[in-house]
Amino acid sequence: QVQLQESGPGLVKPSETLSLTCTVSGDSISSYYWSWIRQPPGKGLEWIGYIYDSGSTGSTNYNPSLKSRLTISVDTSKNQISLRLSSVTAADTAVYYCARWRGVMRGGVFDVWGPGTMVTVSS
Amino acid sequence: QTVVTQEPSFSVSPGGTVTLTCGLSSGSVSTSYYPGWYQQTPGRAPRTLIYNTKTRSSGVPDRFSGSILGTKAALTITGAQADDESDYYCVLYIGGGTSVFGGGTKLTVL
Repeated sequence: QVQLQESGPGLVKPSETLSLTCTVSGDSISSYYWSWIRQPPGKGLEWIGYIYDSGSTGSTNYNPSLKSRLTISVDTSKNQISLRLSSVTAADTAVYYCARWRGVMRGGVFDVWGPGTMVTVSS
Repeated sequence: QTVVTQEPSFSVSPGGTVTLTCGLSSGSVSTSYYPGWYQQTPGRAPRTLIYNTKTRSSGVPDRFSGSILGTKAALTITGAQADDESDYYCVLYIGGGTSVFGGGTKLTVL
């Protein structure tokens, strides 16, 4: 059974870089799409982006509204996916979820979710 | 910019039937958008209900069903129960690897 666990600092200062890690257990991260999704307090879900790790190469796709500040990467040796969001503001305060996306060939489902981690941007 | 629309709130009586919809600010939703539906209760991660328009995720009871109704994707709950009271989010695949979530519908069962 695949399980995801997000981790990282709960508090980040404005203008700094938010860094989160998603640790995958129960399966290899290779050959899957791994997404980040966030939810500001009291608001809806926002798709951030994904990385696809084919085992030899990786490809990413980002929300256009975040693209200039966003980097998603993988560490296959640790079975982890990372998110880095630079120049954060209070608007980046949210619960951040890691989720596995199966791609359109598998119906476009986000089939496994982590419990989420709350990140607050404040000085 | 693609905007996915959902009713902000809805209410249903216990045992009743409710249909939540998921539309586009411009254009019609079709199966090519691979509509998905997710249920979320406060403080919890979303739970996958429906994907690829009408495929139920493992363990989801058959009183949850997905479809295309007119120009929108739809989630129908038949025989609503108290623990169906949740937020429901739809998501559409708009191409180029990009997904967009709707704003969510808060469902009240009373």
